[in-house]
Amino acid sequence: DSGVTQTPKHLITATGQRVTLRCSPRSGDLSVYWYQQSLDQGLQFLIQYYNGEERAKGNILERFSAQQFPDLHSELNLSSLELGDSALYFCASSAGTPTGELFFGEGSRLTVL
Amino acid sequence: AQKITQTQPGMFVQEKEAVTLDCTYDTSDPSYGLFWYKQPSSGEMIFLIYQGSYDQQNATEGRYSLNFQKARKSANLVISASQLGDSAMYFCAMGFSGGSYIPTFGRGTSLIVHP
Repeated sequence: DSGVTQTPKHLITATGQRVTLRCSPRSGDLSVYWYQQSLDQGLQFLIQYYNGEERAKGNILERFSAQQFPDLHSELNLSSLELGDSALYFCASSAGTPTGELFFGEGSRLTVL
Repeated sequence: AQKITQTQPGMFVQEKEAVTLDCTYDTSDPSYGLFWYKQPSSGEMIFLIYQGSYDQQNATEGRYSLNFQKARKSANLVISASQLGDSAMYFCAMGFSGGSYIPTFGRGTSLIVHP
């Protein structure tokens, strides 16, 4: 158990809809990262938050947004969903140690029909 | 920009044998970290081992060791005494110390351990 909690584990929705994925980082970790994993794109970095502020942005679509709340949990909002958004979405947290390893949640598998 | 390459889409190994999973990287940053993660069929990503660019010795964690060859920009994962539970996808990743740290992942290698 990595200590990172993601909900929901599975989500099935239709094109055009909006969903919210939730992540609770490990206790004490200030950094939260979101990654998208798909068969054709591999593991792609979406966005990072540190202590409530956006720190870095990757290949995140404009239809996607995220935030980190004062209690450090984070939400990833996906809107106007398309078939191609079907993927496994990971949240990871980091303590910011020199080794810098990320601790991943179990992922939220999104299926868009 | 940094890049991670894993050239082996799939590998097979006999139980109790050792196996090496290849990873090469490209970066102009002198300070970086290299990581290996395991992803079983259940989907979660599990951190295995870390190597810093300035570390003099190769990292080891139990049955996992990292064969770090800085001049060749390679960071191969060696799994000794393979077990059936080692069957999984393995991802090599690279990040940077300090500043904005965004790990970049390779495409992964699928390892199957045969009994």
